Amino acid sequence: AQRVTQPEKLLSVFKGAPVELKCNYSYSGSPELFWYVQYSRQRLQLLLRHISRESIKGFTADLNKGETSFHLKKPFAQEEDSAMYYCALSRGSGAGSYQLTFGKGTKLSVIP
Amino acid sequence: NAGVTQTPKFRILKIGQSMTLQCTQDMNHNYMYWYRQDPGMGLKLIYYSVGAGITDKGEVPNGYNVSRSTTEDFPLRLELAAPSQTSVYFCASNPGWGGSNQPQHFGDGTRLSIL
Repeated sequence: AQRVTQPEKLLSVFKGAPVELKCNYSYSGSPELFWYVQYSRQRLQLLLRHISRESIKGFTADLNKGETSFHLKKPFAQEEDSAMYYCALSRGSGAGSYQLTFGKGTKLSVIP
Repeated sequence: NAGVTQTPKFRILKIGQSMTLQCTQDMNHNYMYWYRQDPGMGLKLIYYSVGAGITDKGEVPNGYNVSRSTTEDFPLRLELAAPSQTSVYFCASNPGWGGSNQPQHFGDGTRLSIL
């Protein structure tokens, strides 16, 4: 069975410091991985996906199949980055519905 | 576009009562999903639908039912509410084409308490 692990429930960093939110996964197939973010009083929304290889709001994430990791990184944290971050893995199912398996989330708090 | 709309936002039920959580999307997405999120936990899939008239169980379906009579609507029903169903419920949708890398679009959630 697939599993997504985010080892840190809470991560506090100072403004301007580097940020790394960890995500490890277990999956027997070829994974599709995402980072979702939920800002205060907003709905859960996509931050980035590994297949796009893009940088969104200064965040990047690289899929490391050897270490089965998809850590989210940003070189300089901003106060507006404070939010709840969820790593998620997409897998195919019998009906091709591509269900998501979520980690428990990491709350990022950026200290001014 | 409103995206995914969930109603109600909050609800308190007594044990044994029933209710329906509403979810509608205006993006013409084929795939829709219901998740629950317990405190300190990730989202867990309850049910999903790949199109009108087609539904299937997710990871935690017990105690719930769904229907999908139209592309837009995907209601979740609790028949006999139990305290273990106290949670935040999220509805989501995605187009269903383009492969497994298509992101899901989420509603604001419904916070449900069973007392």
